[in-house]
Amino acid sequence: EDKVVQSPLSLVVHEGDTVTLNCSYEVTNFRSLLWYKQEKKAPTFLFMLTSSGIEKKSGRLSSILDKKELSSILNITATQTGDSAIYLCAVDANNAGNMLTFGGGTRLMVKP
Amino acid sequence: EAQVTQNPRYLITVTGKKLTVTCSQNMNHEYMSWYRQDPGLGLRQIYYSMNVEVTDKGDVPEGYKVSRKEKRNFPLILESPSPNQTSLYFCASSPFAANYGYTFGSGTRLTVV
Repeated sequence: EDKVVQSPLSLVVHEGDTVTLNCSYEVTNFRSLLWYKQEKKAPTFLFMLTSSGIEKKSGRLSSILDKKELSSILNITATQTGDSAIYLCAVDANNAGNMLTFGGGTRLMVKP
Repeated sequence: EAQVTQNPRYLITVTGKKLTVTCSQNMNHEYMSWYRQDPGLGLRQIYYSMNVEVTDKGDVPEGYKVSRKEKRNFPLILESPSPNQTSLYFCASSPFAANYGYTFGSGTRLTVV
């Protein structure tokens, strides 16, 4: 059974801190890994990673995949209160690309 | 505005009373999917559809039905809801497949008593 585990479960930091969120996976047929941010309601798409070692960046957020270690990290630099959210990692491990397995999420709280 | 619209946003119902949660997207996406989100269990896929008249089971399909008669609509049907289907439900769509990055609806919080 495919498994995606995120750590830590929750994290509290102060504005300006840098955080690193982890996602590890055990799947039979890895194709890609996706990160989402979930604030009050619906998750919003952040990144998709398919190749090891290539960093994807969007402003203060960046992510990198390590296929050897079966993991990915999401970095957020100079955190702001607006970064407070649940961050979800999902893995596409299906030949047809039609199913995602999500991790349980990391809840990040950024205090002023 | 490109979006996925779910209705209703909140629903309280009684065990056994059939209900439908509607989902509509205006982006001409081929792929649509339903998820439920429960504390400690994350998002779990219920059903998905690769295109009109093409649907398939996800990880937790028991007790649910779907249909895809038109490209834009993908309703979720609970024929006989039970309390263990109390959850937060999300509809999502993507241009072609799950790994293209979803656009999610705003969610439907369902309580079955």
